[in-house]
Amino acid sequence: QVQLVESGGGVVQPGRSLRLSCAASGFTFSSYALHWVRQAPGKGLEWVAVTSYNGDYKTSADSVRGRITISRDNSKDTLYLQMNSLRPDDTAVYYCARALMPTGGRYYFDYWGQGTLVTVSS
Amino acid sequence: QSALTQPRSVSGSPGQSVTISCAGTSTDVGAYNYVSWYQQLPGSAPKVMIYDVSKRPSGVPDRFSGSKSGNTASLTISGLQAEDEADYYCCSFAGSYTFVFGTGTTVTVL
Repeated sequence: QVQLVESGGGVVQPGRSLRLSCAASGFTFSSYALHWVRQAPGKGLEWVAVTSYNGDYKTSADSVRGRITISRDNSKDTLYLQMNSLRPDDTAVYYCARALMPTGGRYYFDYWGQGTLVTVSS
Repeated sequence: QSALTQPRSVSGSPGQSVTISCAGTSTDVGAYNYVSWYQQLPGSAPKVMIYDVSKRPSGVPDRFSGSKSGNTASLTISGLQAEDEADYYCCSFAGSYTFVFGTGTTVTVL
């Protein structure tokens, strides 16, 4: 069955860095665009970043641009999110989610991981 | 990339219908027929309930339906059930691989 399992969250001081991972299984990883979506405690969902199926195209939300790098290793079926210069307002549960786009025409997130909590605090 | 606007909460008695609106702009909701809706139960990851404005994934009850008019999308839950109590988020494709979520709506079953 399809599984997305995030890891790498934890407590980090402001200004420091953290790398999240999302290990995939149960599907052809290299066929899907992979996204990061975050949710601050008690708040709504916020789309963060995407990498295309082969990693050639990447983009991110204005709120994190310049501070995050999304990447993937299709040989390891793993998605990454490198977060630098972390701020308290980056505190959130970070989810990875897949979408079969654009070639598959599925512009929605059909599977999500369980999320990993990042807490930015001194 | 401003969040789509949803009502903070809606409520209804079992068996009633509730509708959640999702107001966007001509660059997201109005530009593409790629609006999806997600149900989130406490402590759980979101689950897709509607995609492509009005399509239901396999396994989603047919009491969930979606529509769109101009820059506003809507989710209707007909025949409300206790298990439908959750947070609901709309989401729209916004071009160039990007997405924008709605502010979220809490559905309460009275």
